[in-house]
Amino acid sequence: AQTVTQSQPEMSVQEAETVTLSCTYDTSESDYYLFWYKQPPSRQMILVIRQEAYKQQNATENRFSVNFQKAAKSFSLKISDSQLGDAAMYFCAYRTSEGLVFGAGTILRVKS
Amino acid sequence: SQTIHQWPATLVQPVGSPLSLECTVEGTSNPNLYWYRQAAGRGLQLLFYSVGIGQISSEVPQNLSASRPQDRQFILSSKKLLLSDSGFYLCAWSFGTGAYEQYFGPGTRLTVT
Repeated sequence: AQTVTQSQPEMSVQEAETVTLSCTYDTSESDYYLFWYKQPPSRQMILVIRQEAYKQQNATENRFSVNFQKAAKSFSLKISDSQLGDAAMYFCAYRTSEGLVFGAGTILRVKS
Repeated sequence: SQTIHQWPATLVQPVGSPLSLECTVEGTSNPNLYWYRQAAGRGLQLLFYSVGIGQISSEVPQNLSASRPQDRQFILSSKKLLLSDSGFYLCAWSFGTGAYEQYFGPGTRLTVT
């Protein structure tokens, strides 16, 4: 079974700085999909970015980018120019044929 | 555009009472539908998923059941709630079982007392 591990329970970043959130996963599949979701205090789950394993190019969405290392089974999220609105819980997720397997999450605090 | 609704937003129920949470999707046909539960400060756990009317798959044995009476309606139920059923319940939808990302509803906070 696939597992997703987020080893950082909590991270802090100064406004306008860059922060990287870590995620590792375990799978025996060669083709799969990975996602980062953001959960602000409202608890609405918001899709941040997605990565297809067959693509070597790292996904980018505005200030959000990933560092996808397939051999290492690592999928980190980099947030550039951090804003107060980025403060949230961030979840890494692996797409299975049934649904999503989530990590435990990382709380991101943004300091002004 | 597609929209997903959940109700109620919050619910407080005594142990042993029944439960019915509803999820509906607008703006798409034949969506895949999912129920997740999130315990306090934890990640999400997939409970049920459905690829069509009347087709329900369960991921975790539990006190809950799900039904899909209509294409865009997904219901989570229980005959008798347990304290351990407390949590935040999220419904999600996707276009298909492949690469498609899932989109989540606003969730229901359930407290069993």
